[in-house]
Amino acid sequence: DQQVKQNSPSLSVQEGRISILNCDYTNSMFDYFLWYKKYPAEGPTFLISISSIKDKNEDGRFTVFLNKSAKHLSLHIVPSQPGDSAVYFCAATFGNEKLTFGTGTRLTIIP
Amino acid sequence: DTGVSQNPRHKITKRGQNVTFRCDPISEHNRLYWYRQTLGQGPEFLTYFQNEAQLEKSRLLSDRFSAERPKGSFSTLEIQRTEQGDSAMYLCASRTRGGAGDTQYFGPGTRLTVL
Repeated sequence: DQQVKQNSPSLSVQEGRISILNCDYTNSMFDYFLWYKKYPAEGPTFLISISSIKDKNEDGRFTVFLNKSAKHLSLHIVPSQPGDSAVYFCAATFGNEKLTFGTGTRLTIIP
Repeated sequence: DTGVSQNPRHKITKRGQNVTFRCDPISEHNRLYWYRQTLGQGPEFLTYFQNEAQLEKSRLLSDRFSAERPKGSFSTLEIQRTEQGDSAMYLCASRTRGGAGDTQYFGPGTRLTVL
């Protein structure tokens, strides 16, 4: 039962343009959502998060949008930079304990 | 203190052998989590501790797996009688006590290969 889904395994974006990564979830009990970035042979690195009581959170080049009615969230990266090339994981939690992750989207920024 | 550390980073073992991994969380983080990640998948929750108490275990954690956090600081994850299906990246994360807004910070992981 895949409660958190990232339907795009990969995404290529030109440097300087906007990258949009999408995530859908099925469990309406989730109350906190996070995005992690992962390089090969490293652990996930926290990027940005959002509580279910909000619909937007912004941190520098990264913005996360949450649409609770659609059970959908997205991560926007503007402008995209070569160092952003990595695998991005969406994660969700209820009660802020165990995280449930999606399968990841590999983002490639084209110089 | 620079973050969560895990040792060893890589472990190659033969099927049937026992292996043990160690995780040192960020100082003063009282919650510690173990996850497993296989190729093409996101990390999957295994178990977590609040101080020395193990509060939840996933169905993924078979009887061959045991985790401890004896003094509420570092944690160990042991796999007995390893199987090829145990080959994965084992990730540890920690966070402070608190409500929503506290983030889990991950270590670099231990990659296990069972031959």
